[in-house]
Amino acid sequence: GQNIDQPTEMTATEGAIVQINCTYQTSGFNGLFWYQQHAGEAPTFLSYNVLDGLEEKGRFSSFLSRSKGYSYLLLKELQMKDSASYLCAVRDHGNSGYSTLTFGKGTMLLVSP
Amino acid sequence: NAGVTQTPKFQVLKTGQSMTLQCAQDMNHEYMSWYRQDPGMGLRLIHYSVGAGITDQGEVPNGYNVSRSTTEDFPLRLLSAAPSQTSVYFCASSLDFPKGVAGNTIYFGEGSWLTVV
Repeated sequence: GQNIDQPTEMTATEGAIVQINCTYQTSGFNGLFWYQQHAGEAPTFLSYNVLDGLEEKGRFSSFLSRSKGYSYLLLKELQMKDSASYLCAVRDHGNSGYSTLTFGKGTMLLVSP
Repeated sequence: NAGVTQTPKFQVLKTGQSMTLQCAQDMNHEYMSWYRQDPGMGLRLIHYSVGAGITDQGEVPNGYNVSRSTTEDFPLRLLSAAPSQTSVYFCASSLDFPKGVAGNTIYFGEGSWLTVV
């Protein structure tokens, strides 16, 4: 099985920077995703890491360290619309030989003025 | 959303009733999956399919059946609904998921809110 941990809630101020951490344990790691989910809506794709290092995409960046089983999502210049749940998801090769995507419980980020 | 359609959006069932959540995609995606999302539990995989005629169980398959007779459709069946199946259900699809193609994203449907009373 897999174990994915991320903080339940975080708060930050508009214009600030926030880092959301995710740690995972899996036997057949094959990539890590970050998704954003606003209340009552479907998750939307933010980033994907399969190799160690930093992936930058505008205000959002994601980092991966496979040896440490660790990733973070960095959000810069926070805006009120960034208030949402952020989901860390790990893809691995299951016993059936097919890949599956397992999600953490999500981190609820509240951005205040 | 990018071509993943779920119906119905809202449904209330009585305990013991059966129903089918429909999911269709028009992107010729091979990989389709069903998740349920409950407060404090995150998204949990119910069943998935890697192509027509091939399905497999996820983390929480009990009480649910699936089939994949066409590439486009992946219905989720509740044969005898229970209050524990009250949840939000998401269907998701991707082009080439099992092969680990870098950057291969997953598209989610808009969700189906199911209440079992």
